[in-house]
Amino acid sequence: DAKTTQPNSMESNEEEPVHLPCNHSTISGTDYIHWYRQLPSQGPEYVIHGLTSNVNNRMASLAIAEDRKSSTLILHRATLRDAAVYYCILRDGETSGSRLTFGEGTQLTVNP
Amino acid sequence: DSGVTQTPKHLITATGQRVTLRCSPRSGDLSVYWYQQSLDQGLQFLIQYYNGEERAKGNILERFSAQQFPDLHSELNLSSLELGDSALYFCASSDDPGTLTDTQYFGPGTRLTVL
Repeated sequence: DAKTTQPNSMESNEEEPVHLPCNHSTISGTDYIHWYRQLPSQGPEYVIHGLTSNVNNRMASLAIAEDRKSSTLILHRATLRDAAVYYCILRDGETSGSRLTFGEGTQLTVNP
Repeated sequence: DSGVTQTPKHLITATGQRVTLRCSPRSGDLSVYWYQQSLDQGLQFLIQYYNGEERAKGNILERFSAQQFPDLHSELNLSSLELGDSALYFCASSDDPGTLTDTQYFGPGTRLTVL
């Protein structure tokens, strides 16, 4: 599977926007970019996914670079409940099938 | 609440023993996945079932086995337990497996402690 690189940790203040980066320089043309997050003591939770175009949903926005070698998850107004580990995952049907391959993720701390 | 249920929440057992973890997927989801989360290995995919059939295998030890029953619930059996098997075990179900856009819904996990 193509690899992703994320910062180990990031900090934000409540009600401010948060931009979580992910590098995936070896991404192939058919890889989808997925984001999941894991709140403390819970199972992972789907956040958003995209292929080429930027995507928005009720939880977040996903900005994908034109060359697709990087992407950014945007939380528009962080709340304390957004403190979690955020995982950027590439999904390639040829090699990974339906499985999710989790990396280390980014631990997001939200300060009140 | 993802709609995926797992029992038990916690399990404490001794080395050499055997345990069974149970998962009920979201209503209507045919595919079930098992993942293991440990401090040193992170979150790792173990195995996937689709409508009762094994679909994919990951880093699952030979001492571990799983099955999916006609009512679509799944069980993960762990035998000859070792200290290193202590971990969180998550079950997930999927709304559209086989695509790259499906969402996996995770249960709350079972925390296994092997003493």
